[in-house]
Amino acid sequence: EAGVVQSPRYKIIEKKQPVAFWCNPISGHNTLYWYLQNLGQGPELLIRYENEEAVDDSQLPKDRFSAERLKGVDSTLKIQPAELGDSAVYLCASSPMGANVLTFGAGSRLTVL
Amino acid sequence: DQQVKQNSPSLSVQEGRISILNCDYTNSMFDYFLWYKKYPAEGPTFLISISSIKDKNEDGRFTVFLNKSAKHLSLHIVPSQPGDSAVYFCAAKGGADGLTFGKGTHLIIQP
Repeated sequence: EAGVVQSPRYKIIEKKQPVAFWCNPISGHNTLYWYLQNLGQGPELLIRYENEEAVDDSQLPKDRFSAERLKGVDSTLKIQPAELGDSAVYLCASSPMGANVLTFGAGSRLTVL
Repeated sequence: DQQVKQNSPSLSVQEGRISILNCDYTNSMFDYFLWYKKYPAEGPTFLISISSIKDKNEDGRFTVFLNKSAKHLSLHIVPSQPGDSAVYFCAAKGGADGLTFGKGTHLIIQP
């Protein structure tokens, strides 16, 4: 069974540029999460989807961050414009609805110069 | 305000001995607790979990203990092996919410 697939694995951009990350969850997993992990910190939830509905986006900085999961499968997380402080690893995770255990992807490491 | 706290940023243990990683939480609504292991340049992988109705869960070399009255859990690894060297994250869940993570403990197994 394929795991959670994320791309790109690494991205380097200049500040004020846009960037997008893509996530393909495990087949059949209705719930999809985007987490942000800063250096030396634990993952922090940005947004949680149940199918195509964003049921918790309270921690998503909506002035520059956006996310979508149009068909309830793949998801995209976008930052526009990127700031220096956005340099971090962006983790996608998925689970069956109501499950306690999340399966994480390898993450997308963003460096903003 | 950190709801899940791992107060030891790093821990060094000799190979073959017991590793004990600690975690404290503040939110009484948490009812499920998990430990994840993370190697560099990889995502966190699930290790072991425990429901709030239990006080111990064991899986091979890994045991998690939960003390609800103290809002404390610990992960015991025995015997410790070189491949156990990684960052370990404690996570907690309340209801349908996502996981809340601690900052992690970097475990180093010395030969």
